[in-house]
Amino acid sequence: NAGVTQTPKFRVLKTGQSMTLLCAQDMNHEYMYWYRQDPGMGLRLIHYSVGEGTTAKGEVPDGYNVSRLKKQNFLLGLESAAPSQTSVYFCASSLHSGKSYNEQFFGPGTRLTVL
Amino acid sequence: DQQVKQNSPSLSVQEGRISILNCDYTNSMFDYFLWYKKYPAEGPTFLISISSIKDKNEDGRFTVFLNKSAKHLSLHIVPSQPGDSAVYFCAAQRRDNTGKLIFGQGTTLQVKP
Repeated sequence: NAGVTQTPKFRVLKTGQSMTLLCAQDMNHEYMYWYRQDPGMGLRLIHYSVGEGTTAKGEVPDGYNVSRLKKQNFLLGLESAAPSQTSVYFCASSLHSGKSYNEQFFGPGTRLTVL
Repeated sequence: DQQVKQNSPSLSVQEGRISILNCDYTNSMFDYFLWYKKYPAEGPTFLISISSIKDKNEDGRFTVFLNKSAKHLSLHIVPSQPGDSAVYFCAAQRRDNTGKLIFGQGTTLQVKP
């Protein structure tokens, strides 16, 4: 099992360009999450999905869109990149029963630089 | 408004000694607390959790203590090993259908040989 994979690993964009980050998981997890990590800020939730075809906003959703057309994939889009979106992006997935703690499994991250 | 705070950005300890990482929270409605470990250029990995109805959970060298009245939890690593050098994040979760985690800022632990 590959677990959670993210594509690409690195990307440099110019201000105003668009791009899509792909997250894939092979664990048949229902729940998927997108986070960004910035120095001194920890991990902040951008968007999440509780199942195929569903998405919801997290803590910092502005400037991002997501789609969950297939259960195993969760896409994060930047329509018009800004320097403030320079960050490391992590995708995570989980089974989450709602009855216990939610162990999320993380991908290796995508380092994005917006010039 | 940071609901989960790790006020120590870094900690350095000698190999074999105890490492204590601290975390404070503001929302008394959290049901679970989790600790994640992160090595450079990798994603975070789950380490240990504790329910809000417990005050201690132990797993090998790792023990998490919860003080609900103080809204404070701590992760103890005994004995510390050089391979424990990493960034440690605490996270809080409510029992709902979203499974959302709220993370602290992280503490970088360095264990010196």
